[in-house]
Amino acid sequence: EDQVTQSPEALRLQEGESSSLNCSYTVSGLRGLFWYRQDPGKGPEFLFTLYSAGEEKEKERLKATLTKKESFLHITAPKPEDSATYLCAVRMDSNYQLIWGAGTKLIIKP
Amino acid sequence: DAGVIQSPRHEVTEMGQEVTLRCKPISGHDYLFWYRQTMMRGLELLIYFNNNVPIDDSGMPEDRFSAKMPNASFSTLKIQPSEPRDSAVYFCASTPGQGYYNEQFFGPGTRLTVL
Repeated sequence: EDQVTQSPEALRLQEGESSSLNCSYTVSGLRGLFWYRQDPGKGPEFLFTLYSAGEEKEKERLKATLTKKESFLHITAPKPEDSATYLCAVRMDSNYQLIWGAGTKLIIKP
Repeated sequence: DAGVIQSPRHEVTEMGQEVTLRCKPISGHDYLFWYRQTMMRGLELLIYFNNNVPIDDSGMPEDRFSAKMPNASFSTLKIQPSEPRDSAVYFCASTPGQGYYNEQFFGPGTRLTVL
């Protein structure tokens, strides 16, 4: 069964404390892995797309990496404004739909 | 561009009433998606359109739900009759659709509460 699993469900960090969020997937024919950020009361906002194993992308304090089985979203020296729920989604070979993970709620304490 | 526009932002209704949610996608985007988000089930795809034509409605929970896209700039999601378990945030998203790799742009959502 095609599935996307994110861990941990929630993560509390002190400001400046670096960490990583995980997105593991079991799908056939991956055609893209997407990371989104969602703030309370808002729709998901696109961050990155990764297409193939070994690929990396960076944006400010965030860096996304991809292997054949999982993706990591590394956050370096986070600030309170990085607090949000981070969602991962994958697109398969034969389908335009996205399969979504449940998300990781990230809380950065000042 | 104003982004994806949804209305209303909040809707409170009583069980049995008809509810209509509205969406205006980003101009030029060929694909439109309707999602539902709850704490228990996360983000679920309900239906999506390509060039105003429904492509996959397998996520629509039951016949009480229907969606239309009469033109490229407008779509509706209707629930009739509504039930308390329909309470959720409903998102509309659009994408240019030039291949598999395009990100989806989400609207702000409609928070639906059915009493």
